[in-house]
Amino acid sequence: DGGITQSPKYLFRKEGQNVTLSCEQNLNHDAMYWYRQDPGQGLRLIYYSQIVNDFQKGDIAEGYSVSREKKESFPLTVTSAQKNPTAFYLCASSKVQVDYGYTFGSGTRLTVV
Amino acid sequence: AQSVTQPDIHITVSEGASLELRCNYSYGATPYLFWYVQSPGQGLQLLLKYFSGDTLVQGIKGFEAEFKRSQSSFNLRKPSVHWSDAAEYFCAVGAAGFGNEKLTFGTGTRLTIIP
Repeated sequence: DGGITQSPKYLFRKEGQNVTLSCEQNLNHDAMYWYRQDPGQGLRLIYYSQIVNDFQKGDIAEGYSVSREKKESFPLTVTSAQKNPTAFYLCASSKVQVDYGYTFGSGTRLTVV
Repeated sequence: AQSVTQPDIHITVSEGASLELRCNYSYGATPYLFWYVQSPGQGLQLLLKYFSGDTLVQGIKGFEAEFKRSQSSFNLRKPSVHWSDAAEYFCAVGAAGFGNEKLTFGTGTRLTIIP
């Protein structure tokens, strides 16, 4: 079955270290997205990509970086510049036409100690 | 730009009771509207969507939603909730007629079910 896979589910890192979260989809979707979720704040868009080798900043891109070298993959790096990286991170993908909605991964919970 | 408001942060209902979760959107043209559900520690699952046609939309798990253009609303309903419906619910709006547009999500409504 097609889907979107995020790994790992739980991630622990020491403060000051960069960490990369994986997101892979086999839905043949063109667009991919990264969201951060904190209690009571809903989903906040970090980065998105609508085509390979191109991506745009979302609302809270500072301290994060992404790449889109393959259509199937959209990894997110949380850098040491991110002031408060502990959060739940969600990856999503979609067709170009927004009426199909997004398909979400199951998330990665990052804890920085 | 479009926006979504979910006025209720947290709702508690008894098992077997009816449910209505509110969603108001702001968009100048015909919107695409979605409801998603999220169980704790999980991703979001699509419940239903509206983009044209019948304003009453049926979704999975016995949910339905009604698009009311005059009220800019897309409220989610269920006639009788089950304990397994306890989760967080998100409304989202997208711009119809455009490609390469992102969805805008509300801040969510957390649903608690009491026995």
